Amino acid sequence: AQSVTQPDIHITVSEGASLELRCNYSYGATPYLFWYVQSPGQGLQLLLKYFSGDTLVQGIKGFEAEFKRSQSSFNLRKPSVHWSDAAEYFCAVAVTGTASKLTFGTGTRLQVTL
Amino acid sequence: GAVVSQHPSWVICKSGTSVKIECRSLDFQATTMFWYRQFPKQSLMLMATSNEGSKATYEQGVEKDKFLINHASLTLSTLTVTSAHPEDSSFYICSAPLETERGISGELFFGEGSRLTVL
Repeated sequence: AQSVTQPDIHITVSEGASLELRCNYSYGATPYLFWYVQSPGQGLQLLLKYFSGDTLVQGIKGFEAEFKRSQSSFNLRKPSVHWSDAAEYFCAVAVTGTASKLTFGTGTRLQVTL
Repeated sequence: GAVVSQHPSWVICKSGTSVKIECRSLDFQATTMFWYRQFPKQSLMLMATSNEGSKATYEQGVEKDKFLINHASLTLSTLTVTSAHPEDSSFYICSAPLETERGISGELFFGEGSRLTVL
């Protein structure tokens, strides 16, 4: 079965600083990969997804992620963090062919200091 | 964009009572919906797949009789926690995939979640 690891439970960055959230997956083949953001009192929102093709994926709100097959990673990045980016971020994978059945990582809580 | 709405957002109930949580797709039809459970500081765990017009598919370890799922229409799925106990207290989240002419788009839309507290 596939699994997802987000090594960082909690990250604090200053506003304007760059951000990288780590995600590693375990699966025999290349899965579908997703990043979601969850703000307090709100549902999860899709930031970006990777199915195939270009390994650098652009998402909403200025986020991007890079799929690295050799490292089984799909790290999320943003060059300049805004205070409104403070939230919980989840990496998720889906077995190819069943793109809607997701396995989530434990999440990384991002705190942004002014 | 597509919206999925859950109700109630939070509920407190006494032990032994049953609680129903609704999940609605507001501007699209969903033949499939997913129910997740999220414990504090933990990941979302898939509980079951709700299928319109047929029985729900439960993940291993999830009690079917405890968590009753009904997909009454193409826009509504309900999760009923029966005879709730304090250990059932959790954050329950539903989601629905956006289906296109080619099939499922690969994007899930999530409800706001429902926080259940059982006293």
